[in-house]
Amino acid sequence: LAKTTQPISMDSYEGQEVNITCSHNNIATNDYITWYQQFPSQGPRFIIQGYKTKVTNEVASLFIPADRKSSTLSLPRVSLSDTAVYYCLVGDDNYGQNFVFGPGTRLSVLP
Amino acid sequence: NAGVTQTPKFQVLKTGQSMTLQCAQDMNHNSMYWYRQDPGMGLRLIYYSASEGTTDKGEVPNGYNVSRLNKREFSLRLESAAPSQTSVYFCASLYQGAYEQYFGPGTRLTVT
Repeated sequence: LAKTTQPISMDSYEGQEVNITCSHNNIATNDYITWYQQFPSQGPRFIIQGYKTKVTNEVASLFIPADRKSSTLSLPRVSLSDTAVYYCLVGDDNYGQNFVFGPGTRLSVLP
Repeated sequence: NAGVTQTPKFQVLKTGQSMTLQCAQDMNHNSMYWYRQDPGMGLRLIYYSASEGTTDKGEVPNGYNVSRLNKREFSLRLESAAPSQTSVYFCASLYQGAYEQYFGPGTRLTVT
């Protein structure tokens, strides 16, 4: 299983763009990269998924360099409600059992 | 469309007691999962069911059993609860090939 490394915590201010980088040096050819968001006392919620280059949806963008050994989740113009834990997962199985949740990155958005 | 539902929301057990956590999904997903999350930690996979009629162990299966009752329901049983099983338990489901897991609200279990 590809192991991921993320910063434990980050602080930002409202209106700023936040970039959270995840390292996955031993990512396999068939692995996808998936990001989840978790608010206190709730289950995680899917944000975005990608394989290579750039993926964008209404919530975030995901940048994956050519070597795929890292990925960056970009949250544009964060608000207080974006305060949460963000998890980077790497896995190759569409049954989901090979996706491992690490400790995640605790993002605090300040006013 | 309720998504993934879990019961109960909270439970306190004494050491040695047993209980079953219930999970149901109404999204016609094939795969279902049970995770536990300890304070300040990420989620750890206990058991999963890739499809109706199959179950497999995850990272931390000891002390738990599961039943995939039908396509909708996936239960987690603690036969003899221990304080080390104090945690928040999340159920999730996934449509095969979609990679996006949908999570329930969680069950907060305390074992004294």
